Amino acid sequence: DIQMTQSPSSLSASVGDRVTITCQASQDISNYLNWFQQKPGKAPKLLIYDASNLETGVPSRFSGTGYGTDFTFTISSLQPEDIATYYCQHYDNFPLFGGGTKVEIK
Amino acid sequence: EVQLVESGGALVQPGRSLRLSCAASGFTFDDYAMHWVRQAPGKGLEWVSGISWNSGNKDYADSVKGRFTISRDNAKKSLYLQMNSLRTEDTAMYYCAKDIAGVFRYYFGSWGQGTLVTVSS
Repeated sequence: DIQMTQSPSSLSASVGDRVTITCQASQDISNYLNWFQQKPGKAPKLLIYDASNLETGVPSRFSGTGYGTDFTFTISSLQPEDIATYYCQHYDNFPLFGGGTKVEIK
Repeated sequence: EVQLVESGGALVQPGRSLRLSCAASGFTFDDYAMHWVRQAPGKGLEWVSGISWNSGNKDYADSVKGRFTISRDNAKKSLYLQMNSLRTEDTAMYYCAKDIAGVFRYYFGSWGQGTLVTVSS
């Protein structure tokens, strides 16, 4: 079975900082990876699909890269409204979420 | 605008049953596969089950296989999850999510706000 390892599990950064989250698959998953944002008490929201495509309406400070086993999600300039937990999600025969990364403001 | 509204969550004893519902609006319901995704308190996301546009294909996570049954009524624009033999580890917020196609693509582009299921004696 494919395993998804997301890191770090939490991070603290200042407003304006560049934030990077990684997601590693245990085997080649092509670009079958999405990224979600979940704010406290809210449902998840799709931000990035197919590893690097920005969902409509999502600010351009969010981006994703990667292919195969290693993927990166970046917030180019952290804003106060970006405080949330971020999840990667692999999709193929079976959807599988990473463990999540809680992003806080320093 | 896509709207998904879950209902049916409750406090229930272990071993009992519960049926969740999800009412959809703002899109052509019978064009899309639908899913249930859950989140235990303070934990991550777990896909539970999915159903294709015409109910021809259904799938389940191993953790619920044989206990949960997904169904849909396209005329009523509604999705359901029948949960039997509930366990304490089924305690979670249950979200209804819309796929991007009638078959399984597992792109959860729209979500409801969730309904809370608590399994406890």
